[in-house]
Amino acid sequence: GQSLEQPSEVTAVEGAIVQINCTYQTSGFYGLSWYQQHDGGAPTFLSYNGLDGLEETGRFSSFLSRSDSYGYLLLQELQMKDSASYFCAVFTGRRALTFGSGTRLQVQP
Amino acid sequence: EAQVTQNPRYLITVTGKKLTVTCSQNMNHEYMSWYRQDPGLGLRQIYYSMNVEVTDKGDVPEGYKVSRKEKRNFPLILESPSPNQTSLYFCASWTGSHEQYFGPGTRLTVT
Repeated sequence: GQSLEQPSEVTAVEGAIVQINCTYQTSGFYGLSWYQQHDGGAPTFLSYNGLDGLEETGRFSSFLSRSDSYGYLLLQELQMKDSASYFCAVFTGRRALTFGSGTRLQVQP
Repeated sequence: EAQVTQNPRYLITVTGKKLTVTCSQNMNHEYMSWYRQDPGLGLRQIYYSMNVEVTDKGDVPEGYKVSRKEKRNFPLILESPSPNQTSLYFCASWTGSHEQYFGPGTRLTVT
């Protein structure tokens, strides 16, 4: 089966940098995705890492290390609107996504 | 506008009364999925479909049925709903690009 571990909550201040870690155990691995979900909203795609290394998209970056079964999402220059839940998810050979239980990020002024 | 739509958005029903939640996408995506989201458990996949008439079970398929007769539609059927199926349900679609597009969600309460 699949299992993903990520912290349940993280708190940071506006303008700061925060890193949300994700470790996974899967049978068959194609890549790691990150999704953002605001309260009452639907998940929205942030990034995908199919290969080791860093992917950067604006203020957000995502990293993957296949050998360590580990990835992280880095959010820079935090804004109040970044307060949301963040989910890591793995793509397995069944062309399906398995999600972690999510990290609730609270950005304080 | 590219989107995934779900109906109804909110539904309160009673145990055993069959119901269908519809999902439709206008992006010509091959893949579609249903997830349920429960507090502290993240999103768990119920069923997914790789194309018309091709479906497979996800992690929590018990008590659910799906069908994919047209590329754009992927309804979720609860033949005999039970209270443990009270949840928030999301439909999603995607191509091979790994970015999944989610519908707005359906909040289902079974009493």
